[in-house]
Amino acid sequence: AQSVTQPDIHITVSEGASLELRCNYSYGATPYLFWYVQSPGQGLQLLLKYFSGDTLVQGIKGFEAEFKRSQSSFNLRKPSVHWSDAAEYFCAVGPFNTNAGKSTFGDGTTLTVKP
Amino acid sequence: KAGVTQTPRYLIKTRGQQVTLSCSPISGHRSVSWYQQTPGQGLQFLFEYFSETQRNKGNFPGRFSGRQFSNSRSEMNVSTLELGDSALYLCASSHPEYGSSQYKNIQYFGAGTRLSVL
Repeated sequence: AQSVTQPDIHITVSEGASLELRCNYSYGATPYLFWYVQSPGQGLQLLLKYFSGDTLVQGIKGFEAEFKRSQSSFNLRKPSVHWSDAAEYFCAVGPFNTNAGKSTFGDGTTLTVKP
Repeated sequence: KAGVTQTPRYLIKTRGQQVTLSCSPISGHRSVSWYQQTPGQGLQFLFEYFSETQRNKGNFPGRFSGRQFSNSRSEMNVSTLELGDSALYLCASSHPEYGSSQYKNIQYFGAGTRLSVL
């Protein structure tokens, strides 16, 4: 069964500092990977996705993520964090084929941005 | 295009009651999935509907049910509400893309319905 692990429950960074959120997945083949962001009381907004090809993918709001098959990782990065980036971030695997409607999510990482 | 619309945004119910939540997908999307989000369990998949048929189901009791209409709008129903059903219920719609011998979906989420059971 596929699974997603986000090792960091909570991360605090200063505004303007760089950010890296970790994501590890478990799946028998090449997964389809996603990062979503959720502001308090809101739904999930898609930041970026990886299906195949270039392992460095660019997303919205200046975010990027790198797929590393050897490490089963898909870490999210941003070179300079803004106060508005404070939110909860979710990494997800899927959906595809027979599980076409089902994504499997990590437990999320809450990002706090210090002024 | 309008995004995924969920109504109502907030609901307060008491134990034993039943509730119906609604989701209107992005125009042209035929797949609608439902998720339950709680602080303790995170995001858990409830079920997915595609072309009015339940295609996939998570591990939830039969009190949780859903349906999809011919216009792809979906409803989720929870009967005999329990305190533990208090959660944010998220709906996601998607349209399959086919490539590399597989279908893959990008799910777009609504803002959710916050259900509080007293």
